Amino acid sequence: KAGVTQTPRYLIKTRGQQVTLSCSPISGHRSVSWYQQTPGQGLQFLFEYFSETQRNKGNFPGRFSGRQFSNSRSEMNVSTLELGDSALYLCASSSPSSGELDTQYFGPGTRLTVL
Amino acid sequence: GNSVTQMEGPVTLSEEAFLTINCTYTATGYPSLFWYVQYPGEGLQLLLKATKADDKGSNKGFEATYRKETTSFHLEKGSVQVSDSAVYFCALSDRLTGGGNKLTFGTGTQLKVEL
Repeated sequence: KAGVTQTPRYLIKTRGQQVTLSCSPISGHRSVSWYQQTPGQGLQFLFEYFSETQRNKGNFPGRFSGRQFSNSRSEMNVSTLELGDSALYLCASSSPSSGELDTQYFGPGTRLTVL
Repeated sequence: GNSVTQMEGPVTLSEEAFLTINCTYTATGYPSLFWYVQYPGEGLQLLLKATKADDKGSNKGFEATYRKETTSFHLEKGSVQVSDSAVYFCALSDRLTGGGNKLTFGTGTQLKVEL
């Protein structure tokens, strides 16, 4: 089974721009979560989508948003980029129906650099 | 809220040495516990997990036991290899009121194994 894939792997943007990151979960997984990883704050939960609905949200400003499509693929968007948004963005998928309710499998991440 | 505390790194060991990375947690209820590993430039890989007290997770020679009485989930390996050099994250699964869950991570412990 293919793992979680994320595109692009690397992005360079300038302040004020917006960016869209994409995540394809493991086949059959319907829950997709996003995390931000920075040296200063570590790994922080952004939001979780299930069946095309945002089910949970972390403590991030409204500039961070996301969506999920009917095939469970997910995108996250960051508008009006700030220097502090430079981070590794990780997507994870899980499958509540498989009995592994709590187990999340991660993709390779998208490295975003804001100049 | 729930939290995870890991020992500070870096931890530097010689090949074939015994490894322990300490992890303690604070949580309400009975969370599942995980160890993830991150190699340079990559995402997080699930190393092992335990879903209830006294469960032992194991994989690739690594082990960790879910100790409810000491709220700990220490990672151990009897004989480390250079290829084990990576950052190790302890995490717990937080059930959320909206359904689903999020992972709460420790700060990570960098392991360096030398010949």
